[in-house]
Amino acid sequence: KQEVTQIPAALSVPEGENLVLNCSFTDSAIYNLQWFRQDPGKGLTSLLLIQSSQREQTSGRLNASLDKSSGRSTLYIAASQPGDSATYLCAVSRTNSGYALNFGKGTSLLVTP
Amino acid sequence: KAGVTQTPRYLIKTRGQQVTLSCSPISGHRSVSWYQQTPGQGLQFLFEYFSETQRNKGNFPGRFSGRQFSNSRSEMNVSTLELGDSALYLCASRTGATEAFFGQGTRLTVV
Repeated sequence: KQEVTQIPAALSVPEGENLVLNCSFTDSAIYNLQWFRQDPGKGLTSLLLIQSSQREQTSGRLNASLDKSSGRSTLYIAASQPGDSATYLCAVSRTNSGYALNFGKGTSLLVTP
Repeated sequence: KAGVTQTPRYLIKTRGQQVTLSCSPISGHRSVSWYQQTPGQGLQFLFEYFSETQRNKGNFPGRFSGRQFSNSRSEMNVSTLELGDSALYLCASRTGATEAFFGQGTRLTVV
């Protein structure tokens, strides 16, 4: 059974800091890994998708890496802004379960002005 | 292009009733998945439909069911509602093993 863990569960940083969110998974047989953000009471917004054959993806101030063999991914946010405050979720699609996503519990990020 | 649309956005139901939620995927996306989100359990996979066939199912009781129509729109049904079914229900659409796009969700409250 795939277990996805996100550390830390919560994080508070001052505006302008660079930060790293961590995600680990127990079964390396994945199709891909996706990072999402969720604002309170809202749906999920896709941030980055990394296919299992890729090592990293970048979008603006966001960079996500994937080390499939060790079951780890990191999301790097550069020059954080108050608008980045949200919950960040990582999810993996396993190769033997169709395209179902297994989610971590998320990291709640607060960026203070 | 239009995103994933879920209706209704909010629902209040009484224990024992049943409810039907709707999800319209992004045009061209044939895979629709449903998830339940609660504060305690986080996001849990309910089921996935592809070309009108249920391809995968999570660990939920039989009270939870779904279907997909020929235009890829999907519905999920929960019968005999329990207080513990109160949650945010999210659906996602995708094409194959690609990026999943989520709707805004339906907030179900069971009283």
